[in-house]
Amino acid sequence: EAGVVQSPRYKIIEKKQPVAFWCNPISGHNTLYWYLQNLGQGPELLIRYENEEAVDDSQLPKDRFSAERLKGVDSTLKIQPAELGDSAVYLCASSLASTGELFFGEGSRLTVL
Amino acid sequence: AQRVTQPEKLLSVFKGAPVELKCNYSYSGSPELFWYVQYSRQRLQLLLRHISRESIKGFTADLNKGETSFHLKKPFAQEEDSAMYYCALRNPGGYQKVTFGTGTKLQVIP
Repeated sequence: EAGVVQSPRYKIIEKKQPVAFWCNPISGHNTLYWYLQNLGQGPELLIRYENEEAVDDSQLPKDRFSAERLKGVDSTLKIQPAELGDSAVYLCASSLASTGELFFGEGSRLTVL
Repeated sequence: AQRVTQPEKLLSVFKGAPVELKCNYSYSGSPELFWYVQYSRQRLQLLLRHISRESIKGFTADLNKGETSFHLKKPFAQEEDSAMYYCALRNPGGYQKVTFGTGTKLQVIP
């Protein structure tokens, strides 16, 4: 079992450029989360999917962030345009709704210059 | 609104000393509480959950609804326990939102 797979692991871009992160959850996990983790902080929820439906996107800055989970499996998180303050680690996690345990990917570290 | 508070950013203890990582929560209902751990260069992973009432790697945590706390304890710290620890709360209802605390770094001194 590969676990939750995220790519890229690291990304450095200049401000105002677009960036996209990809997540492949554990097979069979219907719930997928995107979290933002700033240095020294805990994960903060950006968006949660139940299958292909975004059921909680209240913390997603919709003016520049977008996400999709086509076919209820893989997911993509996009930022356009990126700002300096977006530098952080973007974590993807998946779970079975019945257990509540989140399985995390290794994260995608974004640096905006 | 649900909230998780971990008051200590860093906790340093000597090897063999007892450990207590504090977690307080705010939630109007019966939440599910978890402790997640992140070892150096590893991904965030579940350590234990309150409903299972089990001891993992010598760690235990008891949910105290009166004090709205879920402190993580271990009687004798080991060097390999050094890591970041995050307390998390899950809304068990239909919403099932999972909220994390800011984390506590445990440093076990040899």
